Amino acid sequence: EAGVTQSPTHLIKTRGQQATLRCSPISGHTSVYWYQQALGLGLQFLLWYDEGEERNRGNFPPRFSGRQFPNYSSELNVNALELEDSALYLCASSLMGLRAGTDTQYFGPGTRLTVL
Amino acid sequence: AQKITQTQPGMFVQEKEAVTLDCTYDTSDPSYGLFWYKQPSSGEMIFLIYQGSYDQQNATEGRYSLNFQKARKSANLVISASQLGDSAMYFCAMRETNTGFQKLVFGTGTRLLVSP
Repeated sequence: EAGVTQSPTHLIKTRGQQATLRCSPISGHTSVYWYQQALGLGLQFLLWYDEGEERNRGNFPPRFSGRQFPNYSSELNVNALELEDSALYLCASSLMGLRAGTDTQYFGPGTRLTVL
Repeated sequence: AQKITQTQPGMFVQEKEAVTLDCTYDTSDPSYGLFWYKQPSSGEMIFLIYQGSYDQQNATEGRYSLNFQKARKSANLVISASQLGDSAMYFCAMRETNTGFQKLVFGTGTRLLVSP
């Protein structure tokens, strides 16, 4: 069974540009989560999508946005990139999301975003 | 607010020995889940083990076991018979279940180095 996949592996952008990161969940999983892992800041929760809807959002500015498609894949968009957006962006998926008390999240390999 | 504390920035262990990675947590929610993830240098977060707050037994998964002491709010990971491939960052994470939000809160991690 294929795991969570993310693309691209690496992304280099300049300040002010927009970045689009993509994630495909494990087959059958309906929930997708995005986390940012920046140097010195640890892993921070960004967004949670379930059944096509945004269910929860972390403490990030509105220029971080995303969506979930009917096939449950997801896209994270970062507008007006700033130097401090440089980080590893990890996507995770889980089987039941809203319908589970506790649901294990399985992570993809991440997209490393570098903002110059 | 929920919080995870990992006080060991780095740990060293010899191959075939057992090692304990510490994790303490703080939450006012009586229902929660605790997770351990491994992050090799490649970046992918690999799920290792899960413990629910109401589970009577300590969780075990192969060489991994979780020493869950609810009264002390600790959930230490024990790796038995360490292997060279166990060298990685290890993160403890928690999810409060009563809020309905599926976000994970992570500790700062412990870097484990296994030597021959």
